[in-house]
Amino acid sequence: EPEVTQTPSHQVTQMGQEVILRCVPISNHLYFYWYRQILGQKVEFLVSFYNNEISEKSEIFDDQFSVERPDGSNFTLKIRSTKLEDSAMYFCASGGRGSTDTQYFGPGTRLTVL
Amino acid sequence: DAKTTQPPSMDCAEGRAANLPCNHSTISGNEYVYWYRQIHSQGPQYIIHGLKNNETNEMASLIITEDRKSSTLILPHATLRDTAVYYCIVRVKIQGAQKLVFGQGTRLTINP
Repeated sequence: EPEVTQTPSHQVTQMGQEVILRCVPISNHLYFYWYRQILGQKVEFLVSFYNNEISEKSEIFDDQFSVERPDGSNFTLKIRSTKLEDSAMYFCASGGRGSTDTQYFGPGTRLTVL
Repeated sequence: DAKTTQPPSMDCAEGRAANLPCNHSTISGNEYVYWYRQIHSQGPQYIIHGLKNNETNEMASLIITEDRKSSTLILPHATLRDTAVYYCIVRVKIQGAQKLVFGQGTRLTINP
């Protein structure tokens, strides 16, 4: 069964450093998402992406964040200058079109900012 | 904010049916009810969704009341691996990237 994959599973970085989180969505999906979950808190929407552009972004998704689909398979989230409060689980999700638009999530990347 | 209300926690004995309620009294006519679960810190896992008819798949059954203001997710024979946080989400199902808005969910504990 196809699934969303994410790398790395755990990323440790120093405050102020740039990180790139990678996702491989399900191959025939068209809509891509990033969510995050700070430890002990709710899963929060960050951004949605379709047709090579951002469809919607939350207040969390400020200028420090960017997304890209550099090729036909990868979907990346970049945090330009990490802050302590960016420490969280980051989940990628993808969805199809119409009746198959259910979102399927990856296993997540645990980002720890020191 | 999430448009659903769920009990914060529930317990169920292994092998019994787990019935998880959800209130969505302000649901609109074009909004579907989705259920996801999150086991520990893993990615949310899709379970089932429905509009107004009851639905069943290999994981669970979804019972939606006639007025659509509430629903119940049923895990027919709960196992220890069903221990997770269960999220009830209402969402418009149209073409386009539609975000999911997660609430706090129900923490279901399956006891041996």
